[in-house]
Parts: sequence; structure tokens; C-alpha cells
Amino acid sequence: ETGVTQTPRHLVMGMTNKKSLKCEQHLGHNAMYWYKQSAKKPLELMFVYSLEERVENNSVPSRFSPECPNSSHLFLHLHTLQPEDSALYLCASSHPERAGGELFFGEGSRLTVL
Amino acid sequence: AQSVTQLGSHVSVSEGALVLLRCNYSSSVPPYLFWYVQYPNQGLQLLLKYTSAATLVKGINGFEAEFKKSETSFHLTKPSAHMSDAAEYFCAVSFMDSNYQLIWGAGTKLIIKP
Repeated sequence: ETGVTQTPRHLVMGMTNKKSLKCEQHLGHNAMYWYKQSAKKPLELMFVYSLEERVENNSVPSRFSPECPNSSHLFLHLHTLQPEDSALYLCASSHPERAGGELFFGEGSRLTVL
Repeated sequence: AQSVTQLGSHVSVSEGALVLLRCNYSSSVPPYLFWYVQYPNQGLQLLLKYTSAATLVKGINGFEAEFKKSETSFHLTKPSAHMSDAAEYFCAVSFMDSNYQLIWGAGTKLIIKP
């Protein structure tokens, strides 16, 4: 199995839909992250979970709701999104005390909001 | 404040020419330094990292980078560009006193001319 797996790879949703992005890591890491990558913008850190507790929430709108049921799984629940939320959503994991915090990324979920 | 600067949002080189992508950081404490590569519609993949061992670091695909403390730089080089090197490259830095949270540069898109 690959290190960090994200599903779905592509998602198209209307503004009134509710959907979820899933991330799974098989690396034994204890921290997981959601990043947003929009065209022509820097990587934006959205959420950080360490030992299944949320340790960072960078002023993300409440229409994005993360969930970390265990150290291997991370979800991003989406509801009533806006077209400007269309982006590539990247999940990553790490063991921060090892190798200076090196992140291992999934392939990303490309979200389009109509 | 700790930060990372990548000079040039786009760099264009001819196939076979030297690739040089610049990265500078600002901090008074020892850093951990990373270069990641992102191919279109994919996640980020680690190219190489500096974690306080040798200052010249060799990575995948023929890339290398040298940590120069006096210049607070970690520039990425490759002697001879290949068409398959066309991608976006991100420099990142972390610090022990910031719990190894990665700080990202804005990215440099590498364009290879035939």
C-alpha cells in the first residue's frame, strides 16, 4: 500500500451538497494535515491533528469540518461550499520529531464547486 | 519572523542546461530544509532534505542542494535539465522551536525549452 492515500481524486459538487474527502496513512505517523492549493496562491495550511487532537485551525471557514477518528485516518467534511473553494486539497502526514518534520503527501483531491 | 523566499515564480531553461532554483530563509536558529517537487495534478514529493548532516545534499532525479549558513540559502541545482523536470518546486523550512511546522516558499515553476 502507498504511504498516504486520498479519495476521491476528483470531486464535483454543487453549493448545496455535502461531501467528504478521505485520507489514510500507512506510515505510522502521529500527525496529519490538510492543505489547500489554489491556482496562483501559496500552499495554505488548513488543519493539523497531532495524536488525534486538532492543534491548528488557520481561520478556516466553518463550511470545512475536519475529523480525525484515529492516527491513520483524516476526513474533511464539506458543506455549502462556494465556487472559490475549488482547489486541490492535499493531505499529509508526519512524525514531527523525526527528520525535522518532513511531510509525506497524498496525491490530492481536486475539488470543483459549481 | 521565520520565512522562506523563492526567487522567481517561473524559471525557464533549455534542455541540457543547468537548473538553478533559489531559496533563502530568514531565522536565527538552525533550520531543517526541504525541497519538494509537484508534477501537474499530483501531490508533493520530497526531492531532498537537509537535517544538520552534510551541507551538500543529493536527492532524487539528479538534483542536489547546498546549505550555506552564511548566506541563509539552500539553492537547488541540477547540471543538465531534462524535459521530465518540468514541474513546480517548493522550498520549505522547519525549526525545532516551532515544533517542526513547515514554512513554505511560494513555489517556482520550472519550464524546460526543447
